[in-house]
Amino acid sequence: QQQVKQSPQSLIVQKGGISIINCAYENTAFDYFPWYQQFPGKGPALLIAIRPDVSEKKEGRFTISFNKSAKQFSLHIMDSQPGDSATYFCAASSPGNTPLVFGKGTRLSVIA
Amino acid sequence: DGGITQSPKYLFRKEGQNVTLSCEQNLNHDAMYWYRQDPGQGLRLIYYSQIVNDFQKGDIAEGYSVSREKKESFPLTVTSAQKNPTAFYLCASSFSGQTNTEAFFGQGTRLTVV
Repeated sequence: QQQVKQSPQSLIVQKGGISIINCAYENTAFDYFPWYQQFPGKGPALLIAIRPDVSEKKEGRFTISFNKSAKQFSLHIMDSQPGDSATYFCAASSPGNTPLVFGKGTRLSVIA
Repeated sequence: DGGITQSPKYLFRKEGQNVTLSCEQNLNHDAMYWYRQDPGQGLRLIYYSQIVNDFQKGDIAEGYSVSREKKESFPLTVTSAQKNPTAFYLCASSFSGQTNTEAFFGQGTRLTVV
């Protein structure tokens, strides 16, 4: 049973456009929702994270929107750049520093 | 510089061999994790440890073994019982506690069966 469902699997966006990646979860005990960015051949790196006490968090061009009632959260990348081309993973975990559960990833390509 | 170091970067294994992947961190993190990454599958948890001398199985532990004798080190052994070991292996670490914090990842080891 997949605990975190991520979509789309791949995404192509024009330079300057908005990239949107969505995730849905089932476990209502989850209370930490990070997004990771991974370049080919590298380990993932934390991009931005949110906790369920807020509905939105913004850091530069990256925004997480969180809908607790729908059990969904999404990543928005504004003014997408070719350097944003990477694989993005959403994840979630429960209290007590339990291991992260990851979505299957979205491969983003930003074309000029 | 603080961080997580995985070695080797590339590893080749013959059929029937056991191989050990190294993971060392100097971030003073209590918790360490091993994930396996396959194309289109995301990251799947193999084993994790929240304290020295203790570890728990993840979702795909069969064919793998770990040890946690030191806080800084969490080696993963891929045994001959693992039928499809070719994958990208990622080690991560984080602080332990009631509030979840950022997990830092190493640069990965790509294991290929030849």
